[in-house]
Amino acid sequence: GAGVSQSPSNKVTEKGKDVELRCDPISGHTALYWYRQSLGQGLEFLIYFQGNSAPDKSGLPSDRFSAERTGGSVSTLTIQRTQQEDSAVYLCASTGTQRETQYFGPGTRLLVL
Amino acid sequence: GENVEQHPSTLSVQEGDSAVIKCTYSDSASNYFPWYKQELGKRPQLIIDIRSNVGEKKDQRIAVTLNKTAKHFSLHITETQPEDSAVYFCAAPLGGKGAQKLVFGQGTRLTINP
Repeated sequence: GAGVSQSPSNKVTEKGKDVELRCDPISGHTALYWYRQSLGQGLEFLIYFQGNSAPDKSGLPSDRFSAERTGGSVSTLTIQRTQQEDSAVYLCASTGTQRETQYFGPGTRLLVL
Repeated sequence: GENVEQHPSTLSVQEGDSAVIKCTYSDSASNYFPWYKQELGKRPQLIIDIRSNVGEKKDQRIAVTLNKTAKHFSLHITETQPEDSAVYFCAAPLGGKGAQKLVFGQGTRLTINP
């Protein structure tokens, strides 16, 4: 079946602009995670949605970052007033009802000029 | 705080030799321990996992061992090949019963030298 998809695959923007990154999880998956991965670095946790519970936003680096998950499915990560240090690959992952194995999307590569 | 520690951060081995990567976790309620492999420019993918009711699991050249008492688990790769070169991440669910969130280690960059 279809895996996790993300769009766009690449995004180039100017400093100060807002960007929206989209994640389509695997159908039926209840949990959704966003991570940020800078070049050569590890997986930096950003935010976690689990069913209808309040999201765990403990990893968001600043109030310029926000995320929504509409209808328990698609999620959008928004970065306002982008800065050059926001440049990274943003990965989305979803898990099924067992909340175990994470399936990653291909990521969105963001470059802020 | 609740975390997952992974060592070493980099590892270089000769082709054909074995590689071992270790992780420790803080939450004694954790019951599931996956390992992910990330090749250059690609997404992380699950390669093996273990649940807390067993101490070891093998899949061809890779194995994972778990010591619940000491709260650590390890990835073992035998007869290493060039295609094993990648970054490996361990993970564990932290946060107590019910509200668990999968937390990743910092990653290990494994290089297999021909």
